[in-house]
Amino acid sequence: NAGVTQTPKFQVLKTGQSMTLQCAQDMNHNSMYWYRQDPGMGLRLIYYSASEGTTDKGEVPNGYNVSRLNKREFSLRLESAAPSQTSVYFCASSKTTGRNQPQHFGDGTRLSIL
Amino acid sequence: GESVGLHLPTLSVQEGDNSIINCAYSNSASDYFIWYKQESGKGPQFIIDIRSNMDKRQGQRVTVLLNKTVKHLSLQIAATQPGDSAVYFCAENPYGNNRLAFGKGNQVVVIP
Repeated sequence: NAGVTQTPKFQVLKTGQSMTLQCAQDMNHNSMYWYRQDPGMGLRLIYYSASEGTTDKGEVPNGYNVSRLNKREFSLRLESAAPSQTSVYFCASSKTTGRNQPQHFGDGTRLSIL
Repeated sequence: GESVGLHLPTLSVQEGDNSIINCAYSNSASDYFIWYKQESGKGPQFIIDIRSNMDKRQGQRVTVLLNKTVKHLSLQIAATQPGDSAVYFCAENPYGNNRLAFGKGNQVVVIP
C-alpha cells in the first residue's frame, strides 16, 4: 500500500516563482492536512481539509493556498515563493477530523527558495 | 540529510538496553496522545496512541505511559535496536477536533 504520496520529493525555486505541491492518499480517508517542518521545531499546520469540498486555515497559512481536488488529492500552492518558505512540507491524512484518530504522513517535499 | 534533529535533546542508548523518551504536554483539555517516529529523510511514522482514560498502553516492544496529573507522557522502547535510531515526537489534541499539536522531538541514537 502506498499510503500518502507526495510529489515532488525535492524542489528549488527562485524568490517570486510559484509552485504546487501534490499529495494523494489511497486509504479512503476523509481528512487531509499540510504541515511544514523547520529544523529544531515541531510540525506546524498550514491548512487542512476535513472532507472533500472544505478547507480551513491552520497555524501558519499566510503565503499558501490549498485545493481539495477530490477525496484522494490535496494540493498546496505557493503563489510567490519567499526564502522564509524554505522548509520540508508534509502531507497527512486521517479517517475523519473526529477526535482521537492518528494522522498518517507522506515522506515530504524538500523545498528551497533562493 | 536534512537537519530535522538539529538542536534537539539527544538520548544515546546502548543496543539491547531499554529507552525512555519523555514528553511534557501543555493542555489539560487534551484527551488523546500519539507518538511518532521520524527517520532521516522520511515522514513521521505512527507508533502508538493512548486516550486519556488510560494510563498505560502496550504495543510491540513499545509502551506508552500517561500521567495526567503532571501532564507527562513517556515512550518506552524495549531492547533498543539500531533501527530505532530516529527522532521521536509526541502529539496531543488540544483543539477539540483532530488537529494535533506536536512536540519538537527527541533524537535517539542507538550505539551498536
